[in-house]
Amino acid sequence: SQQGEEDPQALSIQEGENATMNCSYKTSINNLQWYRQNSGRGLVHLILIRSNEREKHSGRLRVTLDTSKKSSSLLITASRAADTASYFCATVTAGQGAQKLVFGQGTRLTINP
Amino acid sequence: DTGVSQDPRHKITKRGQNVTFRCDPISEHNRLYWYRQTLGQGPEFLTYFQNEAQLEKSRLLSDRFSAERPKGSFSTLEIQRTEQGDSAMYLCASSLAIDRYEQYFGPGTRLTVT
Repeated sequence: SQQGEEDPQALSIQEGENATMNCSYKTSINNLQWYRQNSGRGLVHLILIRSNEREKHSGRLRVTLDTSKKSSSLLITASRAADTASYFCATVTAGQGAQKLVFGQGTRLTINP
Repeated sequence: DTGVSQDPRHKITKRGQNVTFRCDPISEHNRLYWYRQTLGQGPEFLTYFQNEAQLEKSRLLSDRFSAERPKGSFSTLEIQRTEQGDSAMYLCASSLAIDRYEQYFGPGTRLTVT
């Protein structure tokens, strides 16, 4: 079953604007990851934030994590047409050996030129 | 290309037929995962291997599904007596070690059961 929900389910913005996506989850986590999936293609790992971290940056990406609220956000700054994709958050539950990813339902991001 | 590869990329089969998919992980990765993704949803975990040992299976993996990783390298996922509800994208991923949580995904095999 899905871990939680992502909000919004779909987002359409103009090129150059910032995009923010939110993710909520249900269990205690070891870490939370964000993945991107282009239409008809596999998932690409973007960024990982551990449960003891609150914010992380990678290029134009900024991720925050609030474990008290069991939520995370992904900010993409200065969006480009190539950022058009579906974005998924995925959690690794604390204490489980398999380190399997539990995904949200995703946010479909469209960048309009 | 040294990424995760999957074969075939697309498979159309009739209900009741058996199908087998193959995944070749990144060569030094000892962990291999199978996920299933239906349209508009995030991937759902099916099963996981560490080397050749299958260590966890989801309850989504019914008796008609079997997965192997015979020599700790490539893996196969077989679905017997396919049903229309099996239509989905089947994704394989691999990862390196216990403290490296990032997973590297293949392009997937899209299964359509008619």
